[in-house]
Amino acid sequence: GAVVSQHPSWVICKSGTSVKIECRSLDFQATTMFWYRQFPKQSLMLMATSNEGSKATYEQGVEKDKFLINHASLTLSTLTVTSAHPEDSSFYICSSGVPGTGELFFGEGSRLTVL
Amino acid sequence: AQSVSQHNHHVILSEAASLELGCNYSYGGTVNLFWYVQYPGQHLQLLLKYFSGDPLVKGIKGFEAEFIKSKFSFNLRKPSVQWSDTAEYFCAVNGGTGRRALTFGSGTRLQVQP
Repeated sequence: GAVVSQHPSWVICKSGTSVKIECRSLDFQATTMFWYRQFPKQSLMLMATSNEGSKATYEQGVEKDKFLINHASLTLSTLTVTSAHPEDSSFYICSSGVPGTGELFFGEGSRLTVL
Repeated sequence: AQSVSQHNHHVILSEAASLELGCNYSYGGTVNLFWYVQYPGQHLQLLLKYFSGDPLVKGIKGFEAEFIKSKFSFNLRKPSVQWSDTAEYFCAVNGGTGRRALTFGSGTRLQVQP
């Protein structure tokens, strides 16, 4: 099946710094990518939909200035957590799929720890 | 808005026992239904999906699920679990106005004891 890859797998940063997470589609063109957040022992919550060449669509309650999303090419979307704080510590997961198939594939996830 | 409920949060079974994990969704329109599995330290993998047709869907690793429209349910089953089935299982749904993003249930942690 299609492959979605994330980098880095884990990152530790100091409070107040910004962290960028990359999500790549390795064998297909992704016009849309989805960013999820997963707290420990909880489910995945959709944060935003990343659209190639246009602005991302954020879910209610997600701060767009806090979580910057850029989808500059058909194979890469980035999520930047700006001025990170300990409460931003979480597991961030991206997903995408081949348009028209209805199926989504998930990246390995990126664990962010803010000290 | 869509929502997905998984009533079993933590299930402990012995090997060879039968498994059924409940999943109910709330959405009145046409939906696509999925079960994903997350093994420890790994990313989500698709077990099976239902788009249309036969409501009994067979997936990988001996799993199957039955879509019962009248009950808004999509329960996951396996006749005989193995220790290697120990993982977190997520039910998910998408649909409606072409929305492709998935809405996930809270997940069920399955622990299979040898």
